[in-house]
Amino acid sequence: NAGVTQTPKFRILKIGQSMTLQCAQDMNHNYMYWYRQDPGMGLKLIYYSVGAGITDKGEVPNGYNVSRSTTEDFPLRLELAAPSQTSVYFCASSYSTSGVTYEQYFGPGTRLTVT
Amino acid sequence: AQSVTQPDIHITVSEGASLELRCNYSYGATPYLFWYVQSPGQGLQLLLKYFSGDTLVQGIKGFEAEFKRSQSSFNLRKPSVHWSDAAEYFCAVASGYSTLTFGKGTMLLVSP
Repeated sequence: NAGVTQTPKFRILKIGQSMTLQCAQDMNHNYMYWYRQDPGMGLKLIYYSVGAGITDKGEVPNGYNVSRSTTEDFPLRLELAAPSQTSVYFCASSYSTSGVTYEQYFGPGTRLTVT
Repeated sequence: AQSVTQPDIHITVSEGASLELRCNYSYGATPYLFWYVQSPGQGLQLLLKYFSGDTLVQGIKGFEAEFKRSQSSFNLRKPSVHWSDAAEYFCAVASGYSTLTFGKGTMLLVSP
């Protein structure tokens, strides 16, 4: 049971390039999330998904896209990378039912630098 | 809108001393509250959670937290800090569709 996995661990992008951050979970969780973490700012929600085929915007979605074709995978796409997207990105998953919120499990993160 | 405030950006505690990290939340309904810990270069690990019932909750690594509705607080405590507790601690409140709103974190430094 690997939990939540993320690849890559580190990446350097040039301005204007694109990339996809991968996230997978093996806990059969229905909810998945993408956060970004900037120093002193806590975690900000980018996008989330309540199940395969359903996604919604979080607090800071601009410049990102997501898709969820399976329960296990939730990739985050960066189009036209900008220096403001330099951050540490965390994927998380949780199980929720009937309005009950359960804890989120986090991956180890991807450190992205855009120069 | 919901929010979480962690008033202390940094706290330094001597090893063996007691610890209290403060967390205040703003949320209209009954909150679901969490404390997470993040060691350097790592993801977040759940320490404890409050959903309902007993307002004093026990977590892993000897941590506990007390929910006080009248003060909108959910402070984290540990009676005796170990050097390995040095990390960043995040308080969070759950709101709608199981999304979490996080505080900005408190960095705990442990002095010998």
